[in-house]
Amino acid sequence: QLQLQESGPGLVKPSETLSLTCSVSGGSFTTRNYYWAWIRQPPGKGLEWIGSMYYTGGTYYTPSLKSRVIISADTSKNQFSLELNSVTAADTAVYYCARYHYFFDFWGQGALVTVSS
Amino acid sequence: QSALTQPPSASGSPGQSVTISCTGTSSDHNYVSWYQQHPDKAPKLMIFEVNKRPSGVPDRFSGSKSGNTASLTVSGLQAEDEADYYCSSYAGSNIVVFGGGTKLTVL
Repeated sequence: QLQLQESGPGLVKPSETLSLTCSVSGGSFTTRNYYWAWIRQPPGKGLEWIGSMYYTGGTYYTPSLKSRVIISADTSKNQFSLELNSVTAADTAVYYCARYHYFFDFWGQGALVTVSS
Repeated sequence: QSALTQPPSASGSPGQSVTISCTGTSSDHNYVSWYQQHPDKAPKLMIFEVNKRPSGVPDRFSGSKSGNTASLTVSGLQAEDEADYYCSSYAGSNIVVFGGGTKLTVL
């Protein structure tokens, strides 16, 4: 059974960079036709797709965050990562990683990241 | 790409059926999916490609689409169906959008 697990700091200062890693186990990160995605959910609010990547390197981002986001991967470790720079309190959210093939079929448990000084 | 539009709330009594709408999906494809989220839990895929159920999802959950509006119907409501439900759709150019979510209450 495929499993995803987010990891990274739970507290980030304003204007700094949020960094999270998603570790994929129980399956291959390089499976054809599947993308790997980040989704976030501010407290008490809905889901927001941040972006996706294909294991060969193609990346796609939501327009509102495109200027601040980088999604990258380390295929040797079966991991992919999220970097969001110049964060503000509005970036406080639970961040999920998930597998995508026109639908998100496997999700991580989520990681709460709080932006505060 | 605008978010999809869902009603903020829906409700029904045990055993009844309830339908949640999702407006703004593309009429060009059937890449609409639905997710159930219980408090403090990760979302769970309930429906994909408009009307397909993953293994393990009860057949009480069904999906449909007409034009640019997709719908999720929960039949024979049970207490454990009380949760937030989100629709999602492929918006073209490798962009994905979610609906704002619907809180389903089982009365």
